[in-house]
Amino acid sequence: GAGVSQSPSNKVTEKGKDVELRCDPISGHTALYWYRQSLGQGLEFLIYFQGNSAPDKSGLPSDRFSAERTGGSVSTLTIQRTQQEDSAVYLCASSPLGGGNSPLHFGNGTRLTVT
Amino acid sequence: AQSVTQPDIHITVSEGASLELRCNYSYGATPYLFWYVQSPGQGLQLLLKYFSGDTLVQGIKGFEAEFKRSQSSFNLRKPSVHWSDAAEYFCAVNTGGFKTIFGAGTRLFVKA
Repeated sequence: GAGVSQSPSNKVTEKGKDVELRCDPISGHTALYWYRQSLGQGLEFLIYFQGNSAPDKSGLPSDRFSAERTGGSVSTLTIQRTQQEDSAVYLCASSPLGGGNSPLHFGNGTRLTVT
Repeated sequence: AQSVTQPDIHITVSEGASLELRCNYSYGATPYLFWYVQSPGQGLQLLLKYFSGDTLVQGIKGFEAEFKRSQSSFNLRKPSVHWSDAAEYFCAVNTGGFKTIFGAGTRLFVKA
């Protein structure tokens, strides 16, 4: 079946502009995650959605970052007034249940470059 | 707080040689443990996982990992490396909640 789909695969934007990154999870997966991967770094947790529950936003680095998940499926990560330090690969993952023993299924990521 | 340490930023092995990638975690109990692999331009793919039971777990692509409680380690091994194994490898832990914590990764280079 289809895996996690992210778009765009690459995004170049000017400092100060807003960007939207899209994630289409695997059908039926209730849990959805966003991670950020900076050059030479591990994965930094950003936000977690589970079903219709309120998301856990504890990893969002600033109030310029927000995310929503419509209808328990597609998710959009929005970064307002982008800064150069926002340049990174943004990875989306989904899992069937979202519990600790539920492995993550990752998309190929969106590489964001802020000039 | 829980943490995951991968002490080797990069490792180079010859094709056909054996491989061991190290992973240590910090947590009071036994967490759920994972190894993922990331090829260039790709997302992460699950290699194997450990939840309980037999401490030696087998994964895809000929990889295995051994959980050692006394050392808080979960090292990844492969008896004979292939050029296609060149990638970045991430160890990850989950302590039962929703958040999976990843190590910084080890980049594997394979030389002919």
